[in-house]
Amino acid sequence: GIQVEQSPPDLILQEGANSTLRCNFSDSVNNLQWFHQNPWGQLINLFYIPSGTKQNGRLSATTVATERYSLLYISSSQTTDSGVYFCAVSTIYNQGGKLIFGQGTELSVKP
Amino acid sequence: KAGVTQTPRYLIKTRGQQVTLSCSPISGHRSVSWYQQTPGQGLQFLFEYFSETQRNKGNFPGRFSGRQFSNSRSEMNVSTLELGDSALYLCASRLVAGLAGNTETQYFGPGTRLLVL
Repeated sequence: GIQVEQSPPDLILQEGANSTLRCNFSDSVNNLQWFHQNPWGQLINLFYIPSGTKQNGRLSATTVATERYSLLYISSSQTTDSGVYFCAVSTIYNQGGKLIFGQGTELSVKP
Repeated sequence: KAGVTQTPRYLIKTRGQQVTLSCSPISGHRSVSWYQQTPGQGLQFLFEYFSETQRNKGNFPGRFSGRQFSNSRSEMNVSTLELGDSALYLCASRLVAGLAGNTETQYFGPGTRLLVL
């Protein structure tokens, strides 16, 4: 099955710094989502981005489907950005809504 | 619209017991998927229900089962609980508009934390 790898596994930043999180996947995808898991465990949707570039405030994401990777950019980080960021994908071989998750990047933003 | 809701939020059980978790999708969403999150295995897909039918299933033993009702609400049941079943159980819903297949955004609920003693 498809493999999803996220890097780095951990990241510590000072407030105000910028960061780039990476998601590599081993097969063609038709669904790619980025999530932020808050301290209470809920997965918050950030982007639905199987290809192309999107921006939402201080966050932006780019997926280069032909090269099988996606990047999540966080600019001017804030302490509230702390948490785990997950990339999840689905392929044409999946029936229905099965998402395959990466292992996540744990981000800690220090004041 | 209200988001995905899950009940209960926290649960403590002992080995050998069974447990039922509930998930109410976003209004109008017809598909509900369930995921298990553990520190060792990460987030893993359990199963998906659509139109009251199981549409897809992950690699979990038969002790894990589910169902979906006509109003799209879903329940997940785990029988003969084991210590390793301690986890955060998340459900997600999506619209399923026509032939969109799996190319739709999934929205997750807050999860149920299950502790098996």
